[in-house]
This record gives sequence, structure tokens and C-alpha cells, in this order.
Amino acid sequence: GAGVSQSPSNKVTEKGKDVELRCDPISGHTALYWYRQSLGQGLEFLIYFQGNSAPDKSGLPSDRFSAERTGGSVSTLTIQRTQQEDSAVYLCASSLGSPSSGNTIYFGEGSWLTVV
Amino acid sequence: GNSVTQMEGPVTLSEEAFLTINCTYTATGYPSLFWYVQYPGEGLQLLLKATKADDKGSNKGFEATYRKETTSFHLEKGSVQVSDSAVYFCALSGSAGYSTLTFGKGTMLLVSP
Repeated sequence: GAGVSQSPSNKVTEKGKDVELRCDPISGHTALYWYRQSLGQGLEFLIYFQGNSAPDKSGLPSDRFSAERTGGSVSTLTIQRTQQEDSAVYLCASSLGSPSSGNTIYFGEGSWLTVV
Repeated sequence: GNSVTQMEGPVTLSEEAFLTINCTYTATGYPSLFWYVQYPGEGLQLLLKATKADDKGSNKGFEATYRKETTSFHLEKGSVQVSDSAVYFCALSGSAGYSTLTFGKGTMLLVSP
């Protein structure tokens, strides 16, 4: 499709298990972002990729969270030893260039993670 | 650091009423400003944007003007419709070279017939 694609759309996991969330950005978009949306907390920035490198990963909440991007395209966000507070919607987004230059960031529909 | 403050919701209006959702920001330099909208069951989508002071962004009858002197980017619409019911997010990017968006917490708008 033409938009940002995320999978799975819904994931229920047991506390302590690892999960992987996948993002397929819009073709040709060099910038890729991960955000987390929790009820009442708005959107929390996690990590930003330019190509395959991550110049800004300041938002990753702990060392249980990691992300990688390969081939300048698909990205995977991994959460190890999940905790109940990790329950949230994880949003991926991509753009052609920096939003500071007025470029639009396009969002996927998100992966809803529930840790039980 | 950068931050965005939005009025808390929900905002409840009748159809054809005038809408204002307040947004103020804190940033160094000259950020670009954005409004995103999230309709029920859908992903975030850009509603409008403004990249420099005094610019007005507009789309679908919504408008917002970049006011540097008051560090504001209030969203307005003259006559809301039931289909405008959604959560609205104000966001900013940093100055040139800063490559991510900082979002407000969102304001839910509920429009009744």
C-alpha cells in the first residue's frame, strides 16, 4: 500500500515475554520514527532513524527497548521482558525530510500492545 | 526543551458551533507548527501546518495562525460538523536540523447533532 504499514495491529502478551513490532514506511522515506501513545499521556517520542542510523534515541524508556532499521526501509521495535506499564499503542511514522523544514510526517495505524 | 500545551478536553459542541482549541508552545529558535487529527479507529493524519511566524495553515475549514509573539497556534473552525468529532493534537518541530515532533496531550472534540 501507499501508507505506513505496521504489524501486528494488536498483540496481547504475558508479562516477562519479548515482543517485536514491525514498521514498513512509505517507499522512499528516509526518516522513520517510533512514538508511543498511552491513555491520557499523548504521544511520547521513542526513537528516530535517518536511513539505518538512529541519531536520536533519547526517548527509549529503558534498556529493555531497542529498535533497528535495515536497508533504509523496514524497522523493528523490540521490547524485552515486557511489563504492564508497556501497554500502549506503538506508532510508527515516516517522512521524506525533516519536519523543521515543513515536511509532513505520515503515521501508521499503530500496534496496540497489551501486557497481561 | 521543547513543549506543547493544549487545552484539556473533552470539548463538547453542538453542530454549527464555533470551535477554538488553544495551543501554546515553548521552543528555542523558529519551530514549524502542526495540527494532527485522529478520527475514531483511525491513525493520526496531518490537518494543517505553518512553518514561519504569521503563516496561516488551513484545511477542511480549519485554520490556525502561527503567533510568535504569544507562542500560540490556536485551532479554529467557524461551523463544526458531527464528522469533526476526533482527537486533535498540536505539535512542533524544532529549528532547522531538529528532526522530530513534540506533541501536546491531545484534545477530544465531541460534536452532537
